[in-house]
Amino acid sequence: GAGVSQTPSNKVTEKGKYVELRCDPISGHTALYWYRQSLGQGPEFLIYFQGTGAADDSGLPNDRFFAVRPEGSVSTLKIQRTERGDSAVYLCASSLYAVGGGTEAFFGQGTRLTVV
Amino acid sequence: DAKTTQPPSMDCAEGRAANLPCNHSTISGNEYVYWYRQIHSQGPQYIIHGLKNNETNEMASLIITEDRKSSTLILPHATLRDTAVYYCIVRVAISSGSARQLTFGSGTQLTVLP
Repeated sequence: GAGVSQTPSNKVTEKGKYVELRCDPISGHTALYWYRQSLGQGPEFLIYFQGTGAADDSGLPNDRFFAVRPEGSVSTLKIQRTERGDSAVYLCASSLYAVGGGTEAFFGQGTRLTVV
Repeated sequence: DAKTTQPPSMDCAEGRAANLPCNHSTISGNEYVYWYRQIHSQGPQYIIHGLKNNETNEMASLIITEDRKSSTLILPHATLRDTAVYYCIVRVAISSGSARQLTFGSGTQLTVLP
């Protein structure tokens, strides 16, 4: 596709359940980012991939959160034992490179996660 | 990455230029200035970025002061569809040992009035 695609667009889950959020970046983009945005706040960084490896996961709030990008393209954000405080819009972005030229990041529309 | 300061909100009349200021007094020599905007219920949208020189594209112009401590995003002819939160972000560009993610602040809520 032409842009970053995130699925599902909405996800409602019960407290304690496991969820997976998927991100399809722009083809050929080497860098991929996950952000979380709560109502009325700016996006908050979670994790950044360069290729297949997580280059910076300092934003992950705790060990319930994990993300993978096994083939350097599609990424999955995984949340175990969800809590109501995990409710937010989860945004994915990709950029051609991480440094130098071509570093502008393009965002998907996000997945709205609601934990009830 | 350096911290940025933006006014929380601004209004602009439709058809007029919108000038959005940003202070980044602690910016380093290897940091770019990026601007993004977020229209309600959408993901952030890249607008423009620059290092030292002024930049212009089809969406906007970016004016960076000579000392690089502040910048202004200019939307030359604002429309109602430009109503959004505008984020100014400084981000390391060339240092291999530094974080490369965008760090968003609270941004400026621009409201374009008919």
